[in-house]
Amino acid sequence: AQSVTQPDIHITVSEGASLELRCNYSYGATPYLFWYVQSPGQGLQLLLKYFSGDTLVQGIKGFEAEFKRSQSSFNLRKPSVHWSDAAEYFCAVGPHSGGGADGLTFGKGTHLIIQP
Amino acid sequence: EAGVVQSPRYKIIEKKQPVAFWCNPISGHNTLYWYLQNLGQGPELLIRYENEEAVDDSQLPKDRFSAERLKGVDSTLKIQPAELGDSAVYLCASSLGGDGETQYFGPGTRLLVL
Repeated sequence: AQSVTQPDIHITVSEGASLELRCNYSYGATPYLFWYVQSPGQGLQLLLKYFSGDTLVQGIKGFEAEFKRSQSSFNLRKPSVHWSDAAEYFCAVGPHSGGGADGLTFGKGTHLIIQP
Repeated sequence: EAGVVQSPRYKIIEKKQPVAFWCNPISGHNTLYWYLQNLGQGPELLIRYENEEAVDDSQLPKDRFSAERLKGVDSTLKIQPAELGDSAVYLCASSLGGDGETQYFGPGTRLLVL
């Protein structure tokens, strides 16, 4: 069964500084990989996703992520964070089922705090 | 375009009472999901529908949970009777279906069981 590990429960970053959120997955083949963001009281919003091809994926709000097969990682990055980026970030993996859109397996999330 | 709609947004009930959550997916989305999100955790899949058929309900605790998706559009998730441990956020998501399609999430229903 697939699994996702987000090793950092909390991360604090100064506004304007760069950000990297870590995600490691376990899956027997090439998975679909996703990053979602959840603000308080809100549903999850997709930031970006990887299916195949270019391993560097661009997303919304200036985020990007890089798929590294050798490290089973899909880390999320942003060159300069804004106070509005404070939220919970979830990495998720979905299988290539060949038969439909299976449910996603999520990590436990990383809580991002932005300090002035 | 309207997103995934869920109601109610908040629900407080006493244990052993029944409760129901409603979800209206994005128009045209054939696949509908219910996820459970406990505090400090990521969402966990409860059930997935392809149109009106439940194609993956392996994680749904069937002794007290039930779900339906009549006519392949709206869906209802029910708990009867509710237990203290059911306090969580219940998220609904929908997608066009097919491998790797983006799942769009609703705002969730926050349930508190007293």
